[in-house]
Amino acid sequence: QITLKESGPTLVKPTQTLTLTCTFSGFSLSTSGVGVGWIRQPPGKALEWLALIYWDDDKRYSPSLKSRLTITKDTSKNQVVLTMTNMDPVDTATYYCAHTGKLWFDYWGQGTLVTVSS
Amino acid sequence: EIVMTQSPATLSVSPGERATLSCRASQSVSSNLAWYQQKPGQAPRLLIYGASTRATGIPARFSGSGSGTEFTLTISSLQSEDFAVYYCQQYNNWPPLTFGQGTRLEIK
Repeated sequence: QITLKESGPTLVKPTQTLTLTCTFSGFSLSTSGVGVGWIRQPPGKALEWLALIYWDDDKRYSPSLKSRLTITKDTSKNQVVLTMTNMDPVDTATYYCAHTGKLWFDYWGQGTLVTVSS
Repeated sequence: EIVMTQSPATLSVSPGERATLSCRASQSVSSNLAWYQQKPGQAPRLLIYGASTRATGIPARFSGSGSGTEFTLTISSLQSEDFAVYYCQQYNNWPPLTFGQGTRLEIK
């Protein structure tokens, strides 16, 4: 059974760096073809893909946010970490991590709401 | 970047009726399209990938069709639990992976 869960701060101040951790079980990020992605959703709005990391440490980012994002993995801990720098109120959203094999997302975490406010 | 446009924004349908949701891509995505269902306060749930393949555990009343730039999600006989927001996502040309803006399916 595959499960994922996001953790991190619920409130960050403008200009701060956000660090989110995705802890998963039921699969290994050392298995060929497996990836974990991050997707966010501002309140009442659509989904936006942010970043994806593969089993071989290949990393891909949304071009519009690339300069602010870093995705890393710790295979031994079954974790993926996303950092986003220079947070702004427009970055207020629910952040999801999700499992992927072929670029669709078949298992999702419950999401974590991050509010950016001073 | 491929822009995904869903229509209508809101669809009102009676239980037991058929619902047809549309998704259009700004350029061809072949059959590299997925559909998701999202209920309030929940994460999205994968329904369809490869434009027409149902994900594990998805009821047969959900079907997907289309290729290139025009895609359709059909729910053949709406159940109460099907009223939700539906998103399409292309994975043909990336980054970025892109989602549509969603269609809200509401009870008529």
